[in-house]
Amino acid sequence: ETGVTQSPTHLIKTRGQQVTLRCSSQSGHNTVSWYQQALGQGPQFIFQYYREEENGRGNFPPRFSGLQFPNYSSELNVNALELDDSALYLCASNAGGIAYEQYFGPGTRLTVT
Amino acid sequence: QQQVKQSPQSLIVQKGGISIINCAYENTAFDYFPWYQQFPGKGPALLIAIRPDVSEKKEGRFTISFNKSAKQFSLHIMDSQPGDSATYFCAAGDSDGQNFVFGPGTRLSVLP
Repeated sequence: ETGVTQSPTHLIKTRGQQVTLRCSSQSGHNTVSWYQQALGQGPQFIFQYYREEENGRGNFPPRFSGLQFPNYSSELNVNALELDDSALYLCASNAGGIAYEQYFGPGTRLTVT
Repeated sequence: QQQVKQSPQSLIVQKGGISIINCAYENTAFDYFPWYQQFPGKGPALLIAIRPDVSEKKEGRFTISFNKSAKQFSLHIMDSQPGDSATYFCAAGDSDGQNFVFGPGTRLSVLP
């Protein structure tokens, strides 16, 4: 088990609503990345935060936004939820501003109805 | 150019056999190639990773082979065990850390 924790474990939302997912990084790690994993697919990179600043972004619309706090924990916010947003959302942490040797949390399963 | 291709999609191996999963990439800026193992309901766990300056890396029963000129890398699992049954993902990242791409995954089943 890694030291990365995520909450909540499961979440059900209605289309058009907003959702906030939370992640606590492993001790000593100052970089957090978020991924979306649709059923049966590989994780897709959403964005990365390093020292509270967005440090890179994948091909996701602006309604996916994030924050990183001084203790390096992080939030993923998704506005105007769509049915296709249903997925496992993973966060991963690592030391330094790069995505090497990432350690993943267990994920939050989001279902949009 | 950001895509990482992975094959096979699924693999069935007898206990004690060798499991081989292959990946290919296009972006020559990638310089970090990890493999992850994922069990149902869990996040991916880092298994082993390689940089392009070496052609092979071995850790226990897991070996990565890397062919820089062909832009291909593979995972070999020796003496496969039923506990190895999981989905395996290859990935590739660049030095900026702003591009990290996963393959689509291989579902491995090791029969007892």
